[in-house]
Amino acid sequence: DQQVKQNSPSLSVQEGRISILNCDYTNSMFDYFLWYKKYPAEGPTFLISISSIKDKNEDGRFTVFLNKSAKHLSLHIVPSQPGDSAVYFCAAVVWTQGGSEKLVFGKGTKLTVNP
Amino acid sequence: GAGVSQSPSNKVTEKGKDVELRCDPISGHTALYWYRQSLGQGLEFLIYFQGNSAPDKSGLPSDRFSAERTGGSVSTLTIQRTQQEDSAVYLCASSLGLAGGRAQYFGPGTRLLVL
Repeated sequence: DQQVKQNSPSLSVQEGRISILNCDYTNSMFDYFLWYKKYPAEGPTFLISISSIKDKNEDGRFTVFLNKSAKHLSLHIVPSQPGDSAVYFCAAVVWTQGGSEKLVFGKGTKLTVNP
Repeated sequence: GAGVSQSPSNKVTEKGKDVELRCDPISGHTALYWYRQSLGQGLEFLIYFQGNSAPDKSGLPSDRFSAERTGGSVSTLTIQRTQQEDSAVYLCASSLGLAGGRAQYFGPGTRLLVL
């Protein structure tokens, strides 16, 4: 059963426009979320994170919004650039059975930014 | 380099053989994680090391999988008697731990193919 869901496997936007990537989660106890970007044949690269005590975190062109009541977060990229084309993963920090923390990832959304 | 490094980048082996995968975390990072990504699946947590504490092995899929972390730095993931379903990308990540922020930084991964 997926705890973190990215329901759009792909998204295509025009250069200069806004990209909005969405993510839903099932457990209201999750308190920290992260977005990663992944290029082919590379590991995921950390982009931005947000704690559940906030509803927005901004870093340059990247902004993450958190709606706790809807158990939904989104990543906005403005303006989108062709170099942003990659697979974007949403992740939540959860506790393992062993009492430590791990990341649980969605299956990713492939973003294509067209010149 | 300053990032997480992994070796080998690719490994092809025959069913039943043992394999060792290596991870060099970012210097100063006390937490180290192993994940794997099978074809079409999200990232799956395997094991977590924090400093000199006993590892959290709750994600290991079977007793054929084991990992060590020597001197609190380099880690080796060993898969004994490999099976075809072990074919996946094995990713290592490190972080400063809870005190330093919860973002995990990933290496490029080892692509394992079991024939």
